[in-house]
Amino acid sequence: AQSVTQLGSHVSVSEGALVLLRCNYSSSVPPYLFWYVQYPNQGLQLLLKYTSAATLVKGINGFEAEFKKSETSFHLTKPSAHMSDAAEYFCAVIMDTGRRALTFGSGTRLQVQP
Amino acid sequence: EAGVAQSPRYKIIEKRQSVAFWCNPISGHATLYWYQQILGQGPKLLIQFQNNGVVDDSQLPKDRFSAERLKGVDSTLKIQPAKLEDSAVYLCASSLQGVAKETQYFGPGTRLLVL
Repeated sequence: AQSVTQLGSHVSVSEGALVLLRCNYSSSVPPYLFWYVQYPNQGLQLLLKYTSAATLVKGINGFEAEFKKSETSFHLTKPSAHMSDAAEYFCAVIMDTGRRALTFGSGTRLQVQP
Repeated sequence: EAGVAQSPRYKIIEKRQSVAFWCNPISGHATLYWYQQILGQGPKLLIQFQNNGVVDDSQLPKDRFSAERLKGVDSTLKIQPAKLEDSAVYLCASSLQGVAKETQYFGPGTRLLVL
């Protein structure tokens, strides 16, 4: 079985501040991990994904995430928040065996204050 | 390249009525997914198709939900009869082959309100 926990349903940062969105996963086999962003009234857009190559993954819009197997974590970071980063962020996990559909966390809403 | 298309974008119905949603995946994508996203939650898989065959429908409430993907291209998801708890956004996604590490591309969703 696989599951994802996103700590903090709401995160608020000031423009220019560090963004840190937390994701921990549970998986019985090595997982593939994804971060998606959802803007209001839109579908989900892939930010980045970990597929067992480099543990530090760089994505679009300046975001990056580091896969840490020992901590079962895949936290999303961005050095400097921009107003346009305000959105809902979802972490998701999928395994290469058995059920091959994404299991999503409950999401973190990021607010960026001017 | 055109993205995943969904229609309608919004639908309001009364409980016990029926409703259908349509999805056209990215051209050439063999795998199509329907997810249900209830307000405040992450999307949850309802059904997964590989070409025109069902791969996983273990979380589809089959007493009221049905889905088909005739000819292995576009797909229709139906709810009959609808319940209040079916109010949600229904997201369609597609991927090239259904391999785990592939990116799933999502459509804009259909927002359903059941009164």
